[in-house]
Amino acid sequence: GAGVSQSPSNKVTEKGKDVELRCDPISGHTALYWYRQSLGQGLEFLIYFQGNSAPDKSGLPSDRFSAERTGGSVSTLTIQRTQQEDSAVYLCASSLRRTQETQYFGPGTRLLVL
Amino acid sequence: GQSLEQPSEVTAVEGAIVQINCTYQTSGFYGLSWYQQHDGGAPTFLSYNALDGLEETGRFSSFLSRSDSYGYLLLQELQMKDSASYFCAAGSGSARQLTFGSGTQLTVLP
Repeated sequence: GAGVSQSPSNKVTEKGKDVELRCDPISGHTALYWYRQSLGQGLEFLIYFQGNSAPDKSGLPSDRFSAERTGGSVSTLTIQRTQQEDSAVYLCASSLRRTQETQYFGPGTRLLVL
Repeated sequence: GQSLEQPSEVTAVEGAIVQINCTYQTSGFYGLSWYQQHDGGAPTFLSYNALDGLEETGRFSSFLSRSDSYGYLLLQELQMKDSASYFCAAGSGSARQLTFGSGTQLTVLP
């Protein structure tokens, strides 16, 4: 079966522009996570969705970041008025349910803000 | 806050055994996971410990001591393909989000 997919794989944008990053989780997975990874660093938790519950937004670094998940499946992470420090790899992961320990990661979107 | 510490780099030769240590400080801790990430790739799950002790999965084993807030990943019979970054990640909170360490770059030499 298909794994987690993300698009675009690479995105170059100008400072101040808005970007949208997409994640397609594994079919049937109810939990979806967004992480950010800066060069040579670990992963930083951004936001979590579980089914139809309100998302946990505790990791979002500023109000320029938002995310939604439509129909309990596809998720979009939006960054408004991008800044150079937003340049990173944005990784999406899903798991079968909240209590499952294994998260399955997508290949990531490499965002470069010029 | 949540924090994990692990060595930044480890080098070993093919066929050897290497241990990557991880210490953590997290609230609401429920388990320690290990992920492998090759350059340009996505993290992939290796192992998970919720209870104290050793978990073995093929050439990889992981250990957890809750009382010491410490764990390690043990890689045996190293192969060149094991060269990658290895992250420990502490699970916490009702959302089970993972807090990752900064990663250990393992280089396996011939």
